[in-house]
Amino acid sequence: KNEVEQSPQNLTAQEGEFITINCSYSVGISALHWLQQHPGGGIVSLFMLSSGKKKHGRLIATINIQEKHSSLHITASHPRDSAVYICAVLSNTGNQFYFGTGTSLTVIP
Amino acid sequence: NAGVMQNPRHLVRRRGQEARLRCSPMKGHSHVYWYRQLPEEGLKFMVYLQKENIIDESGMPKERFSAEFPKEGPSILRIQQVVRGDSAAYFCASSPDRGNPGANVLTFGAGSRLTVL
Repeated sequence: KNEVEQSPQNLTAQEGEFITINCSYSVGISALHWLQQHPGGGIVSLFMLSSGKKKHGRLIATINIQEKHSSLHITASHPRDSAVYICAVLSNTGNQFYFGTGTSLTVIP
Repeated sequence: NAGVMQNPRHLVRRRGQEARLRCSPMKGHSHVYWYRQLPEEGLKFMVYLQKENIIDESGMPKERFSAEFPKEGPSILRIQQVVRGDSAAYFCASSPDRGNPGANVLTFGAGSRLTVL
């Protein structure tokens, strides 16, 4: 069983749609990261959360520590948002990071 | 602050050769992680190192793979006698010590893409 589970695995949306990607984890954590990876590209950290909610432009990330769940929302999606979004958690018992398998998002014009 | 530097960005090797991938963590970061991403797959943890110590190598194949993070210089991931199945992107990430500001920060390098012919 993976320590971090993401859903959905693949997501196709029309430009302008509101998108939600979910992440559930089974370990105690110090922090949770949402990462973005464009095809053939590097990995960028979008958010680091330990509680509550953060917003950058059209991206919103929330976390519920009690339920061990986080969501990444994209409002007014755009084709340039097409990428793989990865949830990663930092265990609170060491410096180990655990990764979800990623959600591949395609936004169609 | 140059960020996490990985080199080479692209490496081509023939079967049986050795591959050496280097990672210089961000300034002030003493924790280094190596991950492998096979084509069409997610990131898989390989090894976690601090200076001169391997903390967790549970994700490393038992044979042909080794990693080090010496007192001076970059962390090195070494793959001996490469096979076609080793073709992948290898990402390095670094984070600061737990007691430091921003201790939960994780910064990735751009990755090294290994192709085995």
